[in-house]
Amino acid sequence: GAVVSQHPSWVICKSGTSVKIECRSLDFQATTMFWYRQFPKQSLMLMATSNEGSKATYEQGVEKDKFLINHASLTLSTLTVTSAHPEDSSFYICSAPDTGTGELFFGEGSRLTVL
Amino acid sequence: LAKTTQPISMDSYEGQEVNITCSHNNIATNDYITWYQQFPSQGPRFIIQGYKTKVTNEVASLFIPADRKSSTLSLPRVSLSDTAVYYCLVGAPPGMAGGFKTIFGAGTRLFVKA
Repeated sequence: GAVVSQHPSWVICKSGTSVKIECRSLDFQATTMFWYRQFPKQSLMLMATSNEGSKATYEQGVEKDKFLINHASLTLSTLTVTSAHPEDSSFYICSAPDTGTGELFFGEGSRLTVL
Repeated sequence: LAKTTQPISMDSYEGQEVNITCSHNNIATNDYITWYQQFPSQGPRFIIQGYKTKVTNEVASLFIPADRKSSTLSLPRVSLSDTAVYYCLVGAPPGMAGGFKTIFGAGTRLFVKA
């Protein structure tokens, strides 16, 4: 079964609204989680590293005020797309490393469509 | 982080063995090589991971030469359901400094035909 779960798996929202996507590690604790964005026919682009109990680290070119990341517990990280616009429509994926096994597990992804 | 280079796409037929090679000339001493599979509208799924020589599991084999500057994912007897994008990632494993901050390359789109 899935060891990293995302919710919702898909969401449609109106332009200007904010959308929150959750990423949970189900079988292990993760002090670090990663958020990616993937456009059609393209590879995953790392957006930010979510750090439990501290600020997220954003990749160059990613607006931290636009994509709010909160890692409030060892099993949950959230990505909030604020004031979403149609160009934010994408497939958002999270991942979490299991330091016990050395594996990096990915969530199922969340498809955001902004109308 | 080591940059990876893979063929953009490959075609194969059912029942054939498929070998996808990834170049990673700047691999660091502590880096592991990991391959993921991604189907449309799904998150990537772990296939296999290795550090050197050969690793085999129930779905694939990973061949890594002594200089570790490349690796080859081998899929035995592919089926239509193996049509997917395959990504080669190079990086430190979780638990190590900078562990698994993953930068994805373009990946290889494998098309398996009947």
